[in-house]
Amino acid sequence: LAKTTQPISMDSYEGQEVNITCSHNNIATNDYITWYQQFPSQGPRFIIQGYKTKVTNEVASLFIPADRKSSTLSLPRVSLSDTAVYYCLVGDTGRRALTFGSGTRLQVQP
Amino acid sequence: GAVVSQHPSRVICKSGTSVKIECRSLDFQATTMFWYRQFPKQSLMLMATSNEGSKATYEQGVEKDKFLINHASLTLSTLTVTSAHPEDSSFYICSARVGWAEGSPLHFGNGTRLTVT
Repeated sequence: LAKTTQPISMDSYEGQEVNITCSHNNIATNDYITWYQQFPSQGPRFIIQGYKTKVTNEVASLFIPADRKSSTLSLPRVSLSDTAVYYCLVGDTGRRALTFGSGTRLQVQP
Repeated sequence: GAVVSQHPSRVICKSGTSVKIECRSLDFQATTMFWYRQFPKQSLMLMATSNEGSKATYEQGVEKDKFLINHASLTLSTLTVTSAHPEDSSFYICSARVGWAEGSPLHFGNGTRLTVT
């Protein structure tokens, strides 16, 4: 399974755009890139998933360069409620589980 | 949308007793479910893969006789922590996929906080 590397923590202010980059140098051809958000004492919540180029939904955007060795989660205009841990996971969508890395702890200040 | 439900959300038990945690897929069938464990300030660690109608697959270092997994139906997997000890206190989370089509993401339950006294 491809290993991921993310910054341990990030700080931001309300209303700013936050970009969290994840490195996954040994991503495989069949692997998708998925981002999850986790609040304390809750299970991870699916944010966005992509394979290549750019994906956008009502919550975030995911940018994936052509070599797919990294990806960037973009959260537009964050609020205090976006304070959470964000995990980047890489893996195929077959019957195997996904392996969690250390995640990025995002702290949004007023 | 797809929902994975866990019960109970919190449980406190005495050392030496057993605790059962249920994981249900509410609006879809899940032939495979995954059980994770998370200690405070740490990431999720995969414990085992639960397969409907067959034995679970455990990750290295996870005792299968201590963490009993039963996946008797397409919508229910249970994790039983047998003879629990304080070091088993943790946050247990299950997950499942809606189907196996390319690009199907994992959905997670809200977790079960186990405290062993």
